[in-house]
Formats: sequence, structure tokens, C-alpha cells
Amino acid sequence: NSKVIQTPRYLVKGQGQKAKMRCIPEKGHPVVFWYQQNKNNEFKFLINFQNQEVLQQIDMTEKRFSAECPSNSPCSLEIQSSEAGDSALYLCASSLTGGTTEVFFGKGTRLTVV
Amino acid sequence: GEQVEQRPPHLSVREGDSAVITCTYTDPNSYYFFWYKQEPGASLQLLMKVFSSTEINEGQGFTVLLNKKDKRLSLNLTAAHPGDSAAYFCAVRITGNTRKLIFGLGTTLQVQP
Repeated sequence: NSKVIQTPRYLVKGQGQKAKMRCIPEKGHPVVFWYQQNKNNEFKFLINFQNQEVLQQIDMTEKRFSAECPSNSPCSLEIQSSEAGDSALYLCASSLTGGTTEVFFGKGTRLTVV
Repeated sequence: GEQVEQRPPHLSVREGDSAVITCTYTDPNSYYFFWYKQEPGASLQLLMKVFSSTEINEGQGFTVLLNKKDKRLSLNLTAAHPGDSAAYFCAVRITGNTRKLIFGLGTTLQVQP
């Protein structure tokens, strides 16, 4: 069973509202990922961190999305001004460092923008 | 960038039949491959990881084959049962320090009793 904890499981926001979701990675895992899974099952990589530092992020993340992984606090992903197209399952995952390590996923936060 | 094509998008088999899902990828620097199972409302569950060589891995009720020459990865459920009904995703990691995974679009498998 995955030890990556995501909250909340469900989030409903109006267009233009902020939407914030949190993730506690598995203990000891310094690498954290955020993915967006849309209704067509497409996975879109958003951003990842190693400890508190951003490894890579996509353009979408750089504009309306913000994310952080502070030390000793949950990681978070926030959409500054939600749009209908942001409705999706947001998955957080964590792993050890190293190219051959496994990636473990949380259950996700399902965001609905009405 | 890397593109991962997964086939078929939907698969329906009877209990006891085999079910084969295949992914092809484009980036020759792909070196680590995963199969995940996703049941409704649940996490992505890691089924198997496969390294960068032609390799057959056997798990509980399934076999994974990687053919790097053909850039093809397959998952074969040897005798499907209703509990195998779920969405299955392949994922590929390419060389580099980001460690991100590139996913296929998934296969929704239905196993009928």
C-alpha cells in the first residue's frame, strides 16, 4: 500500500478561485512529483522536487500553478485561478534518488472546477 | 521528446483467458520501464519494473517482456480473473536527472466471469 498521503481527496472550486492540495511523501523520499491525470487518462507531468529544490517544471506550472516542498511540512500544489480545464485528478508521487528507484503514488486529489 | 503509445485502449476478456497490453516508445535513451494498475478510487499500484535489456519478468499471474531492439514493452496477464479488471498504464523513464516518467494512455481491462 502506498504511503504517499494526499489531501483532500476531492476539491470543488469555482472558476477563478484558488485550489490548493497537499502531499506528504513517503518517509525518507527526497524526490516528489506532481502529475495531472485528465478524464482521457492522459498523464501530464507538472513539476518535481528533490528536497526543496525544483528539478523540472512545465510552462503551465510556471504560470498559474505554484508548488513547493518546504522542509518538515507537506508539499503543496496550488492553482492560483482555477479554470474548467483544470478539472482532473492530481497525483503526487515520491521516490528515492537514483535512476532505478521506484516511484510510489498517492490516491490523488480530484479537482472539479465548476 | 519521448512518446509512449499504448494499445489497446480497451480490452474485454473472459475469466481464464489471457490479456496482452503493449507499449511502444520512441526515445532510445529510455532505460527503465514500469507497469502500473489503477483501480477506481485507488493509487497507481506498481506491478513490475523492468530494466534496459531484453527481459522477461514474471509476477503473480502476469509476465512482462521488454524488447529494446523493437522499443516494445508488453504485459501479459496469463489467466485473467475479475479482480484484474482495472486500468493499466505503462511508464517509461529516460536518461537524465529529472527522473520523471512518461506514461501511456492506459488500457481499461474488463474481465467477465
